[in-house]
Amino acid sequence: GIQVEQSPPDLILQEGANSTLRCNFSDSVNNLQWFHQNPWGQLINLFYIPSGTKQNGRLSATTVATERYSLLYISSSQTTDSGVYFCALRRDDKIIFGKGTRLHILP
Amino acid sequence: DTGVSQDPRHKITKRGQNVTFRCDPISEHNRLYWYRQTLGQGPEFLTYFQNEAQLEKSRLLSDRFSAERPKGSFSTLEIQRTEQGDSAMYLCASSHPAGRYTYEQYFGPGTRLTVT
Repeated sequence: GIQVEQSPPDLILQEGANSTLRCNFSDSVNNLQWFHQNPWGQLINLFYIPSGTKQNGRLSATTVATERYSLLYISSSQTTDSGVYFCALRRDDKIIFGKGTRLHILP
Repeated sequence: DTGVSQDPRHKITKRGQNVTFRCDPISEHNRLYWYRQTLGQGPEFLTYFQNEAQLEKSRLLSDRFSAERPKGSFSTLEIQRTEQGDSAMYLCASSHPAGRYTYEQYFGPGTRLTVT
């Protein structure tokens, strides 16, 4: 089946720093989403981005489907950005999450 | 649009008991998904419905698990004869097709199950 790898698994940054999270996948996909899971467990939609680039405030994402990767950029990190970031892929009717990147933003 | 809701938010049960969880999707979303998430892992797909039809079931969904969506609106997930390994967060999501192959998913807050 399709494999999803996220890197790095853990990231600790000082408030104000920038970060890049990566999602590699092993096969073509129909769609790709990025989620943020907050400390209470709620999954929050960040981007629906099967290809191309999108920006929303301090966050932006780029998916290069032909090279099978997606990147999530967080600029000027805030403590509220802490949590786990997941990419999730859908191919046909299979929906697969990566293991996530755990981000800690220190004040 | 009130978002996806799940009930209960927490459930503690003794091994061997049956439990049932409910999910109310975003209104007019025709697809509804169930996932399970254990500590330190990403959510794992269990099953999904399009309207009232259950279209896909993961091998993770053992015979003790059953899901229904009788009228194409809310869904229930029942676990019979619970085991300690069933302890996890159970997440529900819904989506509405915006075009072929899209189906952006929106998640509920989850039901955290603890089996003692």
